[in-house]
Amino acid sequence: DAGVTQSPTHLIKTRGQQVTLRCSPKSGHDTVSWYQQALGQGPQFIFQYYEEEERQRGNFPDRFSGHQFPNYSSELNVNALLLGDSALYLCASSDISGSNTGELFFGEGSRLTVL
Amino acid sequence: AQSVTQLGSHVSVSEGALVLLRCNYSSSVPPYLFWYVQYPNQGLQLLLKYTSAATLVKGINGFEAEFKKSETSFHLTKPSAHMSDAAEYFCAVGGSNYKLTFGKGTLLTVNP
Repeated sequence: DAGVTQSPTHLIKTRGQQVTLRCSPKSGHDTVSWYQQALGQGPQFIFQYYEEEERQRGNFPDRFSGHQFPNYSSELNVNALLLGDSALYLCASSDISGSNTGELFFGEGSRLTVL
Repeated sequence: AQSVTQLGSHVSVSEGALVLLRCNYSSSVPPYLFWYVQYPNQGLQLLLKYTSAATLVKGINGFEAEFKKSETSFHLTKPSAHMSDAAEYFCAVGGSNYKLTFGKGTLLTVNP
């Protein structure tokens, strides 16, 4: 049973560029959430997708956008990159329509460096 | 709104000693509480969770935590530390909306 998979694992961009990160949820899960983890900090909630719609959003600017596909996979897009966007981006999946444990399963993350 | 405070950004113990990592939370609704572990350059792995059942929760690798509503705490313990326990530990609070709020983390160092 494959867990949450993310790609790419590492990438380097320059200021002003755009980036797309991808996530496949754990088998049987219908919800994908994205978190940003800056160096030395805890993960911060970006947004959550369920039924191909953004259901909840954290305190992140509109430069951060996402999408969920019919197969439940998801993308995170960040436009006009800033140095401060350098972080580990974590994808987490859950089964909202099934159990009610509140538990998230995390991928290994995509480490973004902005130069 | 929910929040988490982890007391101590760095805890150092000797191998075989008790591990105690502290977590206090704030929540306006009955919380779900979690402890996750993160090894270097990896994602988060769930250690244990509290979702309104038994207040003493046992997790993987010998860890356990006790939910104390009166103290708004959910401290993580392990009777005997092992070298492989060295990692960063995150306490998180959430609910049925599957949105987690994390603390800043505690780095656990285990000395031989």
